[in-house]
Formats: sequence, structure tokens, C-alpha cells
Amino acid sequence: DTGVSQNPRHKITKRGQNVTFRCDPISEHNRLYWYRQTLGQGPEFLTYFQNEAQLEKSRLLSDRFSAERPKGSFSTLEIQRTEQGDSAMYLCASSFTIEKLFFGSGTQLSVL
Amino acid sequence: GENVEQHPSTLSVQEGDSAVIKCTYSDSASNYFPWYKQELGKGPQLIIDIRSNVGEKKDQRIAVTLNKTAKHFSLHITETQPEDSAVYFCAASTQAGTALIFGKGTTLSVSS
Repeated sequence: DTGVSQNPRHKITKRGQNVTFRCDPISEHNRLYWYRQTLGQGPEFLTYFQNEAQLEKSRLLSDRFSAERPKGSFSTLEIQRTEQGDSAMYLCASSFTIEKLFFGSGTQLSVL
Repeated sequence: GENVEQHPSTLSVQEGDSAVIKCTYSDSASNYFPWYKQELGKGPQLIIDIRSNVGEKKDQRIAVTLNKTAKHFSLHITETQPEDSAVYFCAASTQAGTALIFGKGTTLSVSS
């Protein structure tokens, strides 16, 4: 296993469109996290899964954001009706515990 | 809510000098404090971490100190090298232990 994989690496979309990102965690990691990072800022926590259960979603930025991890393996993050303010790097991380999170290289979203 | 402050935002040193980055956290229930290094185009990578029952931890040229009473912790890099140039983030675990809250980052530049 080569680490956490995120696709696509880059996504350009028009305002109002829906976008979906995929994250494939390190196999057998039961925890999966989504973070957002804007330029010059640290990663901002969005949501967290333990296996297929979404245990923390109160920090999702709005009801336009949703995430799934249907079989406890890969996860998707969807943003509906994108806005220019959604432009950011979306990072996924996986781990066994809160310690030693392994991050992917992220998906860079640009909303025009 | 939880908050992590990080200083300085930028740090320039000569090769061979030491570099120190400081963070403070707001949630007294936080008990895990990692440091991540992020290079351009990549996700953050864990470089060292410390739990609240330990005051100091060292790994070769990198060390972290923790003062739980004052709620601050620091990263020390000795004998800096050009390849240490990157953005460094501190983080603290949330009270529930479900996620990490990150500081805004320090851009370290090591010139030869």
C-alpha cells in the first residue's frame, strides 16, 4: 500500500455545479478524516468516520457539504452548488487512532 | 471552541542554526500534540508527536517540549539544513479525541 490516495488531484468547476472527491485510505485504517486547507492556513477539520459510521459532522461548513464512506473503505466528499469561497485544497487522512494521521496529497478545487 | 495559535508565521535561518516554533492551545482536555511538515504540493506529514503525560521528546535533530500548565508546546530543530525548508504545523487533539485542530503554520526557510 502506497498511502492515502485522493482523486482527482485538481478540479476546476463553475459556480453552482456539484463536485465529488474520492479518498482511498491506507487499507485496514478504520478512521478517515476530511480537512479543508486554504492558502496560508492550517488544515481545517470537516468530518470524521470510524469504519462506515460518520461520528463527527457538525464541522461541515454548510449543508451543501456531505460525505460518505459506504463500506468502511473509500470515502467521497460532495459539495453541492459550489461557490467561489469553496475554492481550497481538500485533504483526506486515515489512521488507526487519533495519533499518526496519514494525509493524502489532496484535491485542489477551483470554482470559477 | 478549540483553538491553536502558532508563532511565528515565517522564520528564516542560516544553515546550521536552530529553529524554534511555538504553539498555544485553548482546550485543557487536549492530550495529544503532533507536529506536521508540509512540502509544496503534498499533504502534511507527521514528524514528531507528544502526549500530555510527557514533557519532552526528541528524535535526532527534532525535539518537542510541552508545558501543560501553560498550555503551550514548542518544536525545536537543531543543525538546520536546506531540506528542512517547508511549512510546519502544530496541532492539538479535540476533547473527544476525534480530530486534530491545527495551527496556521510556520513557513521555515533555511538558507545555505
